[in-house]
Parts: sequence; structure tokens; C-alpha cells
Amino acid sequence: AQSVTQLGSHVSVSEGALVLLRCNYSSSVPPYLFWYVQYPNQGLQLLLKYTSAATLVKGINGFEAEFKKSETSFHLTKPSAHMSDAAEYFCAVSDRNSGNTPLVFGKGTRLSVIA
Amino acid sequence: ETGVTQSPTHLIKTRGQQVTLRCSSQSGHNTVSWYQQALGQGPQFIFQYYREEENGRGNFPPRFSGLQFPNYSSELNVNALELDDSALYLCASSLVGGGGNEKLFFGSGTQLSVL
Repeated sequence: AQSVTQLGSHVSVSEGALVLLRCNYSSSVPPYLFWYVQYPNQGLQLLLKYTSAATLVKGINGFEAEFKKSETSFHLTKPSAHMSDAAEYFCAVSDRNSGNTPLVFGKGTRLSVIA
Repeated sequence: ETGVTQSPTHLIKTRGQQVTLRCSSQSGHNTVSWYQQALGQGPQFIFQYYREEENGRGNFPPRFSGLQFPNYSSELNVNALELDDSALYLCASSLVGGGGNEKLFFGSGTQLSVL
């Protein structure tokens, strides 16, 4: 069975500061890993995904994540936070990179950005 | 804008009633998945339909059922509503062609409250 643990249900950073959202996964097979963002009253939007092509994955809006097999981690970072980054972020895992594979999501981390 | 629309946006029902939630996928998408997102939790996979047939199911009881239609729309039906069914219900569509790497497009969800 696959699972994802997101450390910290709420993270608060100052505008311009580093954003670090933590995600650890558990999987018995090589995982495919995803980060999604959810703005208020909106659905989920894909930020980036790891599909084994490269361990450092760059996504939209300046976000990136690094796959570390030894640490079973896939933390999301952004060098400089912007007010518009305030949202809920979800890490997810699946066993295939396909549009018909169920995703297993973490509980989410709410990011607040302080001016 | 993902091209996936859900209706209604909000719904209030009482315990024991039945509810139907609707999703209109992007034109041409042959796969639709439904997820339940309880308050403070990540989305949980309910089931998936591929070319109008159920193609996978999560850990949800049979009173959760669905339909997918040829016109790219789909329904989630829940019978005998319970208080714990209160959640945001998300649908996601994709065009699955066997090559992998297909992207999921999420709707904004239907917020169901069961009183």
C-alpha cells in the first residue's frame, strides 16, 4: 500500500522568504509523486510531478521538488514566497504515471504568506 | 480554467436522503475519477470510470455509485446519506490513451453538507 505524510498542517512564511513544504512517502514499488495546489473555492492544480526521469523536478510558479529515495522524501520548495502562493498544498503518490491511476493524497499543508 | 465543471457548487441534504452530483468533463476525455475531501483531509479516491465502465474503486461502500455518459458527463450518486458524507466532492477527468503521462484536470468541487 502507498501512503504520504505531510509534516506540518500549517506553514507560515514572510513574503520573500524560502518556502519549504515537507512530504514523505511510503511505497512498495517505485513511486510516482505529485504536488498539487488548491486555492480557495477551486479544484486541484498540478504543480509538478516526479516520474523517475530526473530527481530535481521544476514546476509552475517557481516551485521545485527533489526526490530523495534514501530519505523517502519529496519536499516542495520555492526560493522566494509571494502573497499569491497562499493556498493549500497536497502531496500525492501513485504507482503509475497515467491519467487512470488513483492518487493517494496527504492531508495537506496550508501555506500562509505574511506581508 | 480546467474545462471541468461540477454542479451544484453547494448542496444541503438531511441524513437518509439520496444525492446526485454532476460533472462535465473536458470534451474527448474518456476517464473520470471522483474523490471525497473531508474537512482538513486530503482527497480520497472513490472510484473511476473509463469509457462508461467502472474501472477501479477505493474503500467506499456500495451506496456510493456512479455513471459516465457518452457526452463526457458523469454522476456520483450517494444513497442513505450519513453525517460523515459531508465533504467536498471533486471530479477529475483525463484522456487516457495507453501511453501514460496523461494529465488529470480537476473541477472546483461540490460542497455537500449532510444535516
